[in-house]
Amino acid sequence: GESVGLHLPTLSVQEGDNSIINCAYSNSASDYFIWYKQESGKGPQFIIDIRSNMDKRQGQRVTVLLNKTVKHLSLQIAATQPGDSAVYFCAEKATGYALNFGKGTSLLVTP
Amino acid sequence: DTEVTQTPKHLVMGMTNKKSLKCEQHMGHRAMYWYKQKAKKPPELMFVYSYEKLSINESVPSRFSPECPNSSLLNLHLHALQPEDSALYLCASSQESTGGNSPLHFGNGTRLTVT
Repeated sequence: GESVGLHLPTLSVQEGDNSIINCAYSNSASDYFIWYKQESGKGPQFIIDIRSNMDKRQGQRVTVLLNKTVKHLSLQIAATQPGDSAVYFCAEKATGYALNFGKGTSLLVTP
Repeated sequence: DTEVTQTPKHLVMGMTNKKSLKCEQHMGHRAMYWYKQKAKKPPELMFVYSYEKLSINESVPSRFSPECPNSSLLNLHLHALQPEDSALYLCASSQESTGGNSPLHFGNGTRLTVT
């Protein structure tokens, strides 16, 4: 099937800085997108989602941007904290199909 | 804490054993899922149940047998597994199945080791 991938497998940021995690997708029929955070020894935790009729959505310290023209999704984390260190997965789905996960980006927050 | 509960947290089994993984959710979700995750890889879909009926089987070997006794419970029966089946097995649920757009909520998984 079509794939969802990430530009950077690892990202290291300093505490307090903003983080940006990018994701490219290839299925033009995808209409729903989710970001998950997975800490060591735990299951993926829902962070934020966005539907294809939107290009931006904000949560607590997080913003997801969707550019359907270039099939690109990003997760912005403001004032990154040590507790944000984890693997982040983007996931996409088209109506009628199951959720498809991208490869993941490991975020490391350094003091 | 997750609202999807998986037991056991860890499981070690031999290749001739039969064991079961269990999953429970009380969010009233109508879709439940089994995913398999290898180290440093994304979760891979195995099965989807929608309204207690199997709706997707991603060509999973028959040594994995899912069961959905009711809308809150999901089991994965394991028999004659291979060492390469060692992985984290994740259960998830969602309000809607593939026809809708709602997030999946995951449990913390069962870490399975096949010896």
